[in-house]
Amino acid sequence: RKEVEQDPGPFNVPEGATVAFNCTYSNSASQSFFWYRQDCRKEPKLLMSVYSSGNEDGRFTAQLNRASQYISLLIRDSKLSDSATYLCVVGAGSYQLTFGKGTKLSVIP
Amino acid sequence: DARVTQTPRDKVTEMGQEVTMRCQPILGHNTVFWYRQTMMQGLELLAYFRNRAPLDDSGMPKDRFSAEMPDATLATLKIQPSEPRDSAVYFCASGRTGGFGETQYFGPGTRLLVL
Repeated sequence: RKEVEQDPGPFNVPEGATVAFNCTYSNSASQSFFWYRQDCRKEPKLLMSVYSSGNEDGRFTAQLNRASQYISLLIRDSKLSDSATYLCVVGAGSYQLTFGKGTKLSVIP
Repeated sequence: DARVTQTPRDKVTEMGQEVTMRCQPILGHNTVFWYRQTMMQGLELLAYFRNRAPLDDSGMPKDRFSAEMPDATLATLKIQPSEPRDSAVYFCASGRTGGFGETQYFGPGTRLLVL
């Protein structure tokens, strides 16, 4: 079983739509959770951290379900500029991060 | 706007040749990571340095890969000899302390093609 699993997509959604991604992780000792965003031929960049209580940043909402070992990302009112690959990232130790392979999102005019 | 820099951005070489990739972490960051990204495997950690000391290189093929930090402003990843299966994007990332849950800042990557 892969450590961090994501649906690779692509998710093709119209502008203004709401889209949700899920991610599951296998290491129950994981303690830190993130979503990174990677544009085509660019480096990954932190989008947001994911906290146990859930957190929101503008149009983006992240949630964590420790019991089921999954993380979600919800994007409301999608913009063309949201088109990217979204990487689910899980940390179990002080520095080690395990990256999912990413979910590709294309927002269509 | 502080950034991690990497050189070269693109490298095409022939099998058997030596490849050296360089990274300048963000000034003041004490941790450096080397990752490799491929379509098949995604992002994989190759090596981790804290305060210039290599603390984890378990993800790196030891027979051909080596990573060093000659000083606090330079990290290098070397492949000798290179093989076609080494073709990938190699990212360097840095962090302030390597502490739990800390953000890692990625450089633009070196896109390597070994023919």
